[in-house]
Amino acid sequence: DTAVSQTPKYLVTQMGNDKSIKCEQNLGHDTMYWYKQDSKKFLKIMFSYNNKELIINETVPNRFSPKSPDKAHLNLHINSLELGDSAVYFCASSNTLAPGGTDTQYFGPGTRLTVL
Amino acid sequence: RKEVEQDPGPFNVPEGATVAFNCTYSNSASQSFFWYRQDCRKEPKLLMSVYSSGNEDGRFTAQLNRASQYISLLIRDSKLSDSATYLCVVNKGGSYIPTFGRGTSLIVHP
Repeated sequence: DTAVSQTPKYLVTQMGNDKSIKCEQNLGHDTMYWYKQDSKKFLKIMFSYNNKELIINETVPNRFSPKSPDKAHLNLHINSLELGDSAVYFCASSNTLAPGGTDTQYFGPGTRLTVL
Repeated sequence: RKEVEQDPGPFNVPEGATVAFNCTYSNSASQSFFWYRQDCRKEPKLLMSVYSSGNEDGRFTAQLNRASQYISLLIRDSKLSDSATYLCVVNKGGSYIPTFGRGTSLIVHP
């Protein structure tokens, strides 16, 4: 009964490949997120998806594309992988609060991506 | 000024010590504030939300100072198990997008 799950946990691949990371939450939350945590441990938001509205971080290359088939899933597809994409990617979910705010986020265990 | 700033540390303290971290934020319209804890090679987990009136959970106390735009975390009677990175999270004013600080590393030694 894991709240937020991600697969795979580890991903090792060659430069130029395309890969996907899957995320599922069973908490009934209305918002899901993708974060990237680099080697300096800085956790940076990449995308947020709330009720079919996708918020894109402008600094994220368009090689990264999130896909949300339904409220419980937010997958991350990465095209043409580069060395600099190596990082830990965390999925998270939460409920949003009116008129503007964020409730507690629950994180998945992370996917450690290594690009060779 | 960065949106959310934290002293990265590390804060190196003996067991039993009291330690405090601050986190400053730039957007005066921010409404949601949290402290998360992240252990090495693990995901972040909520430690506590920060309310306007301040809140306490056992050895942990969180405060919000809207006038000076910072939140604080006080840990009393530090345990070895408190060693972790403590992340400050603030939502962007008027939106639900959370912004994480870089984290403050705490090392509690015997």
